[in-house]
Amino acid sequence: AQSVAQPEDQVNVAEGNPLTVKCTYSVSGNPYLFWYVQYPNRGLQFLLKYITGDNLVKGSYGFEAEFNKSQTSFHLKKPSALVSDSALYFCAVRDGNGNNRLAFGKGNQVVVIP
Amino acid sequence: GAGVSQSPSNKVTEKGKDVELRCDPISGHTALYWYRQSLGQGLEFLIYFQGNSAPDKSGLPSDRFSAERTGGSVSTLTIQRTQQEDSAVYLCASSLGLLETVDEQYFGPGTRLTVT
Repeated sequence: AQSVAQPEDQVNVAEGNPLTVKCTYSVSGNPYLFWYVQYPNRGLQFLLKYITGDNLVKGSYGFEAEFNKSQTSFHLKKPSALVSDSALYFCAVRDGNGNNRLAFGKGNQVVVIP
Repeated sequence: GAGVSQSPSNKVTEKGKDVELRCDPISGHTALYWYRQSLGQGLEFLIYFQGNSAPDKSGLPSDRFSAERTGGSVSTLTIQRTQQEDSAVYLCASSLGLLETVDEQYFGPGTRLTVT
């Protein structure tokens, strides 16, 4: 069964500094990887996904993520964090065996300090 | 266009009562998913519908939980004889469901269920 680990409960970063949210995964076969963001009292919003090809994936709101097969990681990054990036971030994985369900990590609360 | 909608947005019920949660997916999306988000537990997969295929019910936590999808569109998640541990936010998502692509899921705002 596929699974995701997001090792940090909360990530604090100063506005303007680089932001990294960590994610490692476990899956049989080729992984399909996703990042979602959840603002307070809102549903999850899709940020980006990795299916195949370039290991660096660019997504919405200036976010990008790097797929690393050897480390089974898919860390989310943003070069310069904004206060408005403060939210809950979820990493998710789907296996490549025709199983469409997503396995989510527990989420990381990101706090961007002005 | 309209996104995924869910109703009600909040539901408070007494222990032992049955509840129904509704999801309207994005028009044209053939795949529909239900997840549960509990405090500190992340998102837990419940059930998945794909077109006319038999649903993947493997995530339902007990036989008190059931879901149906009528006409390939609207879905209802039913929880019978609710328990306090059922309190959570229930999220619905839909996707295009194209077999040859890996499409992202679009989530609704959720229904917050509180069992007293």
